[in-house]
Amino acid sequence: GQSLEQPSEVTAVEGAIVQINCTYQTSGFYGLSWYQQHDGGAPTFLSYNALDGLEETGRFSSFLSRSDSYGYLLLQELQMKDSASYFCAVKDLDDKIIFGKGTRLHILP
Amino acid sequence: DAGVTQSPTHLIKTRGQQVTLRCSPKSGHDTVSWYQQALGQGPQFIFQYYEEEERQRGNFPDRFSGHQFPNYSSELNVNALLLGDSALYLCASSSGGTGYEQYFGPGTRLTVT
Repeated sequence: GQSLEQPSEVTAVEGAIVQINCTYQTSGFYGLSWYQQHDGGAPTFLSYNALDGLEETGRFSSFLSRSDSYGYLLLQELQMKDSASYFCAVKDLDDKIIFGKGTRLHILP
Repeated sequence: DAGVTQSPTHLIKTRGQQVTLRCSPKSGHDTVSWYQQALGQGPQFIFQYYEEEERQRGNFPDRFSGHQFPNYSSELNVNALLLGDSALYLCASSSGGTGYEQYFGPGTRLTVT
């Protein structure tokens, strides 16, 4: 079957760095996307990795290793407003878009 | 630049009824995907429309159908509503039939009683 695995919850301290991992098992793979969703809000696009390596966008970075079917989202200089759920998503060879169940990030002052 | 819009915001229906949800994509986008999101879960892919055709479909019954109009806006129809259809329905737009970088609307909260 097709699946994406990510931790259900992660807790970190304001100002620190946190990494949210995602492993995937899909029938083919085009790339890995990351989305942020605040409570009561809609998901917002953060990043997309099609090739191996690290992509940096401000305080957020995303990494992909296609050989390991693994990626992660790295959040630096954490702020309270980063408290949200984070989803990884892939598009498989059938062009279906699959989301993980999400990682809820708790930030402590 | 208008983002993705959805209507209505909230909806309450009775089991067995039919519902139509509407979505207008972000300016410049031609692809619309629909998702169902249960509380505490990730979005579940329903289907994607591109060039007025359903391109891909997730594991949803035929009670779920859709349409895309020439102006790229889209509708999601759900027939014979079940209690389990209660969820947040999200519309996302992107370009060129892809789904890599999607922009989501605020969603429609559907409650079936």
